[in-house]
Amino acid sequence: DQQVKQNSPSLSVQEGRISILNCDYTNSMFDYFLWYKKYPAEGPTFLISISSIKDKNEDGRFTVFLNKSAKHLSLHIVPSQPGDSAVYFCAAVDSGTYKYIFGTGTRLKVLA
Amino acid sequence: DAGVIQSPRHEVTEMGQEVTLRCKPISGHNSLFWYRQTMMRGLELLIYFNNNVPIDDSGMPEDRFSAKMPNASFSTLKIQPSEPRDSAVYFCASSPGHSSYEQYFGPGTRLTVT
Repeated sequence: DQQVKQNSPSLSVQEGRISILNCDYTNSMFDYFLWYKKYPAEGPTFLISISSIKDKNEDGRFTVFLNKSAKHLSLHIVPSQPGDSAVYFCAAVDSGTYKYIFGTGTRLKVLA
Repeated sequence: DAGVIQSPRHEVTEMGQEVTLRCKPISGHNSLFWYRQTMMRGLELLIYFNNNVPIDDSGMPEDRFSAKMPNASFSTLKIQPSEPRDSAVYFCASSPGHSSYEQYFGPGTRLTVT
């Protein structure tokens, strides 16, 4: 039972354009969401997060949007850069139980 | 700070052998997590500790897997006996806790069981 899903295993975007990575969850108890970026042979690194009391959080080129009614979140990267090429994982947290679930990841390739 | 340290970085062993993976969390972090990454299942949480106490080990696949955290600066994940299907990258992560949900990952241990 995959409670956090990233339905697109891969995505290619031209440099300078917007990258949109999507994530869906099923458990309504999740109340905190994070995005991590992972380069080959390295561990994931934290990128940006959002609490369920918000619907948007922005940090430089990265913006996370949360649609609670649809149980959907997305990460927007604009403008995309070749260095953004990595695997992106979304994660969802139930703060009451500290249940922490990762999605399966989306491989982003930004073409120069 | 050196970040989360894991050793070894690579481990190749034969089926049936015991494997021990090691982790040193970031100093001052209260929570420690062990994950397994595979192509099929992505990042799976195996177990997590809070203040050195195991809180949730429901992700541990079977009795062959065990984890300990004898003190705040060290944890081990042991597989005994190992099987080829255990081949994966194992990550350790730590978190400050106290309502901070960001996790800081180590570089991982790539385990190959032949």
